[in-house]
Amino acid sequence: DQQVKQNSPSLSVQEGRISILNCDYTNSMFDYFLWYKKYPAEGPTFLISISSIKDKNEDGRFTVFLNKSAKHLSLHIVPSQPGDSAVYFCAASDGGGADGLTFGKGTHLIIQP
Amino acid sequence: NAGVTQTPKFRILKIGQSMTLQCAQDMNHNYMYWYRQDPGMGLKLIYYSVGAGITDKGEVPNGYNVSRSTTEDFPLRLELAAPSQTSVYFCASSQTGGLAGRLEYEQFFGPGTRLTVL
Repeated sequence: DQQVKQNSPSLSVQEGRISILNCDYTNSMFDYFLWYKKYPAEGPTFLISISSIKDKNEDGRFTVFLNKSAKHLSLHIVPSQPGDSAVYFCAASDGGGADGLTFGKGTHLIIQP
Repeated sequence: NAGVTQTPKFRILKIGQSMTLQCAQDMNHNYMYWYRQDPGMGLKLIYYSVGAGITDKGEVPNGYNVSRSTTEDFPLRLELAAPSQTSVYFCASSQTGGLAGRLEYEQFFGPGTRLTVL
């Protein structure tokens, strides 16, 4: 039973355009959400997070939106750059992140020149 | 700061063998975690620790053991390796809220150990 779902295994976007990665969750107890970026043969690196008390968090080119009623969050990358090509994982926690995270399967983002 | 380090990077085990995956962090984080990632899947939590001497099971603890004798180190022990344990193992750490005054903490990951059991 997947509690965090990323339904798009891959996404191809042209350089300079907006990349939108989606994530859905089923556990109403989740109160903290994170996005991680992962390159091959490396560990995931933290990108951006959002608490359930907010509906938007922005950090440079990255913005995460949270729609609690729909149990949906999305990551927007504007503008997309070649270095953004990676696997993006959505993760969630019901303890502020302290008790471990529940991850989605990831979306492979490919930025085309 | 080296961050989170893991050794070895790669290992091939025979069925029934044992090994210890090492993890260390130099950020003075109280919380540490072990995850595994199978091909095409997300990371799944094996064990975690909230401080030296305290550990707890995650989603997939069977076949593994952990110990936390110091703040810095959090080794993962595999006893009687099985092919189902073929995976990439990631160690992570995070800071607690009391000191930082925050409720949310990102986890910092090591580079991973790729384990194959044949």
